[in-house]
Amino acid sequence: AQRVTQPEKLLSVFKGAPVELKCNYSYSGSPELFWYVQYSRQRLQLLLRHISRESIKGFTADLNKGETSFHLKKPFAQEEDSAMYYCALSGPWNTDKLIFGTGTRLQVFP
Amino acid sequence: GAVVSQHPSRVICKSGTSVKIECRSLDFQATTMFWYRQFPKQSLMLMATSNEGSKATYEQGVEKDKFLINHASLTLSTLTVTSAHPEDSSFYICSAGDRGFSSRDTDTQYFGPGTRLTVL
Repeated sequence: AQRVTQPEKLLSVFKGAPVELKCNYSYSGSPELFWYVQYSRQRLQLLLRHISRESIKGFTADLNKGETSFHLKKPFAQEEDSAMYYCALSGPWNTDKLIFGTGTRLQVFP
Repeated sequence: GAVVSQHPSRVICKSGTSVKIECRSLDFQATTMFWYRQFPKQSLMLMATSNEGSKATYEQGVEKDKFLINHASLTLSTLTVTSAHPEDSSFYICSAGDRGFSSRDTDTQYFGPGTRLTVL
């Protein structure tokens, strides 16, 4: 069964500290993984997707098929990074369905 | 970027009434839209896939007669919660896909701002 696991509900760090939000998945085929972010009182928006291999707002995520992980990392957290982060897995090929993890709230203190 | 709107943003209704929520893609066409439900402090749960011009595809456990979905045009999908009850109170979010890197890749999903439904 397809599943996305985000083990941490809350992650608190100080400004300038490194951040790693964990995401593990289970999927039998070739997955497409995404990170979505939801800032306070705003809609959910795409942060990055593994296929683009981009760094967005200083965040990167590498798909590790051996460990079935797609952890989100940033070397130096900023206060404006405080938000809810959701890892998502695309469902069966060409359906565009997304399966979301339970989310991790990142709090960055000054 | 692509924008998805939802209307209304908030609705309060009496138990037993029906409520319609609209989801629109404002600057792109979407043959497929998705409806999610989000309980407080929980993740998004996919309810159904709305397909333009055909029947919606519901996820397991979602009552199709309870949550009616109509996707009459390439820019509009509606979700009607029929005979609403307090347990239907939730945050309903829609998303629509804009073509990604190629036809093989999953579309980037753009999300609406959500509709908070409160059933008294």
